[in-house]
Amino acid sequence: AQSVAQPEDQVNVAEGNPLTVKCTYSVSGNPYLFWYVQYPNRGLQFLLKYITGDNLVKGSYGFEAEFNKSQTSFHLKKPSALVSDSALYFCAVRDYSGNMLTFGGGTRLMVKP
Amino acid sequence: DTAVSQTPKYLVTQMGNDKSIKCEQNLGHDTMYWYKQDSKKFLKIMFSYNNKELIINETVPNRFSPKSPDKAHLNLHINSLELGDSAVYFCAIRRGTEAFFGQGTRLTVV
Repeated sequence: AQSVAQPEDQVNVAEGNPLTVKCTYSVSGNPYLFWYVQYPNRGLQFLLKYITGDNLVKGSYGFEAEFNKSQTSFHLKKPSALVSDSALYFCAVRDYSGNMLTFGGGTRLMVKP
Repeated sequence: DTAVSQTPKYLVTQMGNDKSIKCEQNLGHDTMYWYKQDSKKFLKIMFSYNNKELIINETVPNRFSPKSPDKAHLNLHINSLELGDSAVYFCAIRRGTEAFFGQGTRLTVV
């Protein structure tokens, strides 16, 4: 069975500072990895994905994520946080042949001015 | 245009009632999903459905059933609603390797 862990319930960062939201996964075979963001009272919006190729993937709103196979991690990063980045972030995994996304528990990002 | 639309956005109902949440997609893709987000924001897959196969998460009570009248719709029917069914329910579609989500339906059972 596949699983995703987001060890931090909340991440606090000052505006302009770099941010990292952690994610580790477990899946058989090669993983498809995703990050989604959820703003209050909204659905999930796709941010970025890793399928194959370069370990560093770039996504929407200046976010990027680094795939590390040896550590089974896919941490989300941004060089300079904005207050408007404050939201709930979900990491997700799907195996190559699977049909369903499995989500982590979510991490609330709070960016303070 | 919204790829996935759900109605209603809010649903308040009494225990024991039967209700439905509608989901419509306009991208013509085969695979649709229902997810449940609980009060702690945890997202759990409920169903995966395409025109060939329904995959049910074994933890989902059989009071929940997806119904697909046509390729563009996957509605969620819930019988004998319970307080613990209160949550936000998301419909999603798969396009390639990605999933696209609707805006969610907040169900409150009183």
